[in-house]
Amino acid sequence: ETVMAQSPSTLSVSPGERAALSCRASRSVGIYLAWYQQKPGQAPRLLIYGASTRATGIPARFSGSGSGTEFTLTITSLQSEDFAVYYCQQYDTWPRTFGQGTNVEIK
Amino acid sequence: EVQVVQSGVEVKKPGESLKISCTASGYSFTDHWIAWVRQKPGEGLEWMGNIYPGDSDTRYSPSFQGQVTISADKSITTAYLQWSSLKASDSAIYFCARVEGNGSGFYYLNYWGQGTLVTVSS
Repeated sequence: ETVMAQSPSTLSVSPGERAALSCRASRSVGIYLAWYQQKPGQAPRLLIYGASTRATGIPARFSGSGSGTEFTLTITSLQSEDFAVYYCQQYDTWPRTFGQGTNVEIK
Repeated sequence: EVQVVQSGVEVKKPGESLKISCTASGYSFTDHWIAWVRQKPGEGLEWMGNIYPGDSDTRYSPSFQGQVTISADKSITTAYLQWSSLKASDSAIYFCARVEGNGSGFYYLNYWGQGTLVTVSS
């Protein structure tokens, strides 16, 4: 199983600032990496797939980068609605696996 | 418009059986895999398995193989997740979601249901 490790577990950021979330895979997953956002009491929402392609309707302040084993989700100029938990997920190997999540909280 | 709607809250006792549902609309149901994802209270996401309604091909993550059964009825565009004998450790929110992919591939999750809370307690 490909283990996905996210860091940090919690990120405290002020509104308007930039946030960079890390996701590391235990083996190369190429660019087969997706990012999701989950707010309390809601289902996750797809943000990024193919490591860097924004899903339909996702604002340009969300960007993804990386390949192989190291990936980053960057949120520029955080808005109030961006405070949430973010998960990465690899789809290179079976079973599909998620990281444990990064909680982006208001500083 | 693609919509995925799940069945409601369930409260069960250990040892009981349960089948929860996931009804999709707005697209060709038989052309996309449907996945089930578990989220235990305060924890992260776990991909349980997925089914291709077109031919009922089903894949289970090793952790869930033999623990649950995934099925689908394409005549009513509904997928199911069922347990034959629930345990307290099955208490969680269960999400279903449409899987994006091409051909026989199943990759990431784009349209999610609202989740079904399952509580198992004596």
